[in-house]
Parts: sequence; C-alpha cells; structure tokens
Amino acid sequence: AQSVTQLDSQVPVFEEAPVELRCNYSSSVSVYLFWYVQYPNQGLQLLLKYLSGSTLVKGINGFEAEFNKSQTSFHLRKPSVHISDTAEYFCAVTNDAFNDYKLSFGAGTTVTVRA
Amino acid sequence: GAGVSQSPSNKVTEKGKDVELRCDPISGHTALYWYRQSLGQGLEFLIYFQGNSAPDKSGLPSDRFSAERTGGSVSTLTIQRTQQEDSAVYLCASSPARVPYEQYFGPGTRLTVT
Repeated sequence: AQSVTQLDSQVPVFEEAPVELRCNYSSSVSVYLFWYVQYPNQGLQLLLKYLSGSTLVKGINGFEAEFNKSQTSFHLRKPSVHISDTAEYFCAVTNDAFNDYKLSFGAGTTVTVRA
Repeated sequence: GAGVSQSPSNKVTEKGKDVELRCDPISGHTALYWYRQSLGQGLEFLIYFQGNSAPDKSGLPSDRFSAERTGGSVSTLTIQRTQQEDSAVYLCASSPARVPYEQYFGPGTRLTVT
C-alpha cells in the first residue's frame, strides 16, 4: 500500500514570490510521482511527473519538483508565482501493479496568490 | 483534440434514487479510471478498466456502486439508492496504452443527494 502526505493544507503567497509545496510518500515498492493542479470548478491537470532518471523534473507553467528517495519526498516549487497560479495542488503516487496505475492522492494544498 | 468529457456536469437527486454518470474518454485510450472527490475523504480511487474489463474494483465503497464500459470507450458509473454521503464530485480519467501511467482527467460530475 502507498500513501501521500501533503504537509501544508493552505499556502498564501504574494505575487512574484517563490512557493514550495511539500509532499511525502510511503511505499514499499518503486513508485511514479505526480503533481496535479485543479483550478476552480475544473478537473485535474498534470503539472509534472517523476518516473525515473534525473531527480529534478520540470513541468508546465514554470513549476519544478525534486524527487528525494532517502527523504521519500517530492516537493513542488516555483520561483515566482502569478495570480493565475491560485489553485489547489495535489501530489499523487502510483506503481505498476499489472498495468493498474491507480493514483493515491494527498489531501491537497490550496495556494492563494495575492497582489 | 477532444479531452475526457463527463455528463452531466451537475446532478441533484433525492435520497434513494438511482443515478448514472457518464464518461467519454479520449479516443484510443485503453485505460479508464473513476475517482471520487469529497470534502471528508479527498480524492479516492473507485474502479479501473482496461478495455471493457474491470480488473480493479477495490475502491467501490459499497455494492450500491457499479460501473461498466462498453466498446472499450464510454463508461457509466451507476449509484443505486443514493445516500447523502454519496454527494461528491466524480472524476473520470483515461490513459493511452503507450503511456499508461499518464492520466487525463475530465471536468467531473458534481452529485448532490438531498
């Protein structure tokens, strides 16, 4: 079984400031890691993913995340946020179990960007 | 191209009624997943389809919930004798065979049971 913990439920941040959203996971097997964003009244959009290889992954909209196996973490960062980054962010994990890639999600982090 | 679509976008129903929620995946996507997003439980996996078969139904919360997929495409999630705790947003996702771990989500159906 695997689980995901997002350490911050709400993150207020000023426009053009940096932001970091923390995510820790637990799993007994190798995992794939994802960050999704959900804008109000919309579905989930994939921001970025870690499958293997380089531990620093870059995604859309200027976001990046770093996989740390020893810390079992996958924190999301953006050096300078915009008002339009206001949304809810979900960290998710899956592993390859007979081609079943069902996702386990964290509880989500609400980011509110203020001018 | 067209993304995952779901209908209806909103559904209000009375306790005890049956409801059907529909998902149209991206054309050619072989895998389809249903998730539920509720205030108390966050995002939970419900069921996974590979083609028309459902090898993983482990997330269905009770036998009132069922789902089918026909022609390897459209899927319907049925909730019988709805209860207030079924109120949630039901999300559908699909993924292509060549990148099976990459899921594309629909906008969801918001179900309210009164």
